[in-house]
Amino acid sequence: AQRVTQVQPTGSSQWGEEVTLDCSYETSEYFYRIFWYRQLFSGEMVFLIYQPSFDTQNQRSGRYSVVFQKSFKSISLVISASQPEDSGTYFCALSELKPRTGGYKVVFGSGTRLLVSP
Amino acid sequence: GALVYQYPRRTICKSGTSMRMECQAVGFQATSVAWYRQSPQKTFELIALSTVNSAIKYEQNFTQEKFPISHPNLSFSSMTVLNAYLEDRGLYLCGARDRRATYEQYFGPGTRLTVL
Repeated sequence: AQRVTQVQPTGSSQWGEEVTLDCSYETSEYFYRIFWYRQLFSGEMVFLIYQPSFDTQNQRSGRYSVVFQKSFKSISLVISASQPEDSGTYFCALSELKPRTGGYKVVFGSGTRLLVSP
Repeated sequence: GALVYQYPRRTICKSGTSMRMECQAVGFQATSVAWYRQSPQKTFELIALSTVNSAIKYEQNFTQEKFPISHPNLSFSSMTVLNAYLEDRGLYLCGARDRRATYEQYFGPGTRLTVL
């Protein structure tokens, strides 16, 4: 079964603080990736960062990084020095690679709405 | 860079009518295109996955009869919402996968459908 869970429906922080958003997932595949997206108020999805399943090193991209705990099937997004412009809804997504068909499917979590105050 | 355009960005249709939305990949070749719907409650549902040279695979609760999809080439896909009703409203996202990358998927900005 493929499932992504984000238990925090909302989050908040003050300008400059570090923010951590949690995500857990279920998969039976060996190869997969976890993506983090931010949805703007317009609805547009913006790609932030991804973590490959086979890479034990936590990925980092600018102010975004992840804490990947593969054995627990959990991954957290960390935003350093948060800014009001970071406000929006953050989605965690699981993309499995199906070795037999080569196909893939992306399943999204329910999202965490973050508000960063000035 | 790789971009995905969706058209229209917003549309309003009367209940019982149909509307077509388009997805254009620019800067890369999209071997697979996935259509998603985000309900007003913000949850994402995968409608169908279209892979070039393969049959379109619809998820449970979604059918070709209701959401026919065309994926004629590596840069374009369209989906029609036939006989739209209130429960069909939401944001429809197109995610296109780059043939050169195993997992990279680029999302368009979405088509927001309102049904009156």
